[in-house]
Amino acid sequence: EPEVTQTPSHQVTQMGQEVILRCVPISNHLYFYWYRQILGQKVEFLVSFYNNEISEKSEIFDDQFSVERPDGSNFTLKIRSTKLEDSAMYFCASGSGMNQPQHFGDGTRLSIL
Amino acid sequence: RKEVEQDPGPFNVPEGATVAFNCTYSNSASQSFFWYRQDCRKEPKLLMSVYSSGNEDGRFTAQLNRASQYISLLIRDSKLSDSATYLCVVNMGNTDKLIFGTGTRLQVFP
Repeated sequence: EPEVTQTPSHQVTQMGQEVILRCVPISNHLYFYWYRQILGQKVEFLVSFYNNEISEKSEIFDDQFSVERPDGSNFTLKIRSTKLEDSAMYFCASGSGMNQPQHFGDGTRLSIL
Repeated sequence: RKEVEQDPGPFNVPEGATVAFNCTYSNSASQSFFWYRQDCRKEPKLLMSVYSSGNEDGRFTAQLNRASQYISLLIRDSKLSDSATYLCVVNMGNTDKLIFGTGTRLQVFP
């Protein structure tokens, strides 16, 4: 069964540093997403991406965040200058269409020191 | 009112029991509904979509009541492997983002 893959599984970074989280969505999907989950809290939407542009973003997704699809397979989330409160599990997801189920990768645990 | 509200549990049930979870959502324009399961520190995994007519997948039955803005999940003949957190998830329809509930924790014991 096709799956979404994410790397790295765990990233430890000093506050103020830049991080790039990587995702390979399911190959025939066209809609891509990033979510995050702070420990003990619910999963929260960050951004959706379709047709090479952001289709929606949440209040969390401020100027420090950016997404890119640099080639036909990868989908990345960059945090420019990390803060302590960015520590969370970051999940990439992909879907085949609007209102269709989204399939999640196994996440990147980001720890900011 | 929270966008998606669930009883956090935990629900502790013996193997073989039937257990039901409920969920309410606030936005009447919501169009798509799902149940996901999440094991500890793992990703959400799609359990099933929820359709207006109700739907069943093996031991799992989902129901949707649009008038009451209420979704349910019934698990029959619980297995130890059903122990997880069950997430009620709603898509608002005019947007592509998923709104997650906080989840209901299920613990099945022998």
